Amino acid sequence: GESVGLHLPTLSVQEGDNSIINCAYSNSASDYFIWYKQESGKGPQFIIDIRSNMDKRQGQRVTVLLNKTVKHLSLQIAATQPGDSAVYFCAENYNDMRFGAGTRLTVKP
Amino acid sequence: EADIYQTPRYLVIGTGKKITLECSQTMGHDKMYWYQQDPGMELHLIHYSYGVNSTEKGDLSSESTVSRIRTEHFPLTLESARPSHTSQYLCASSEGQGLGYSNQPQHFGDGTRLSIL
Repeated sequence: GESVGLHLPTLSVQEGDNSIINCAYSNSASDYFIWYKQESGKGPQFIIDIRSNMDKRQGQRVTVLLNKTVKHLSLQIAATQPGDSAVYFCAENYNDMRFGAGTRLTVKP
Repeated sequence: EADIYQTPRYLVIGTGKKITLECSQTMGHDKMYWYQQDPGMELHLIHYSYGVNSTEKGDLSSESTVSRIRTEHFPLTLESARPSHTSQYLCASSEGQGLGYSNQPQHFGDGTRLSIL
């Protein structure tokens, strides 16, 4: 079946380092992808999105890369800060929106 | 910041009670969604709506029901709560019109954490 999944359930990085969170998707027809950040006790917050006609999109301190050949999505966070500690979800959209299980990012001071 | 609100934030209640979880958005979005999320787990879609008087069931079987009488309001009701309903419930909305998912991000409320004793 189709699925969205993350390679690692947890990621720990040093403050100031760059973080890379990965996501694999199975539906090659998916045409829209989103990264969300969810802090404890809050709902998912939109970070950045990318459409399938793009390979890369940059935001403030974040970059999303899409590799359609291997059906892989990644989120790069530059100069990771303590406030970046959260669970990060990827989501893919074709006929419906599918969310992955999430990666917990912990930033060490 | 998205303007979508859920109440209550926390609810602890006994088995057999009728519960309504409220969700309101002020963005004028036609599309709204309800998800169920257990701690540290993925989101599961339980209901969605494309607009007023439109409601559909999601992937995850749920004993809850929803209504969409007004664009801004999408309440979820459990007629008789059970311990298996204990979870976090997240409401979301998105731009776009018509049937099907739009390629627009969903904006989430902060959820209702429900515990059934």
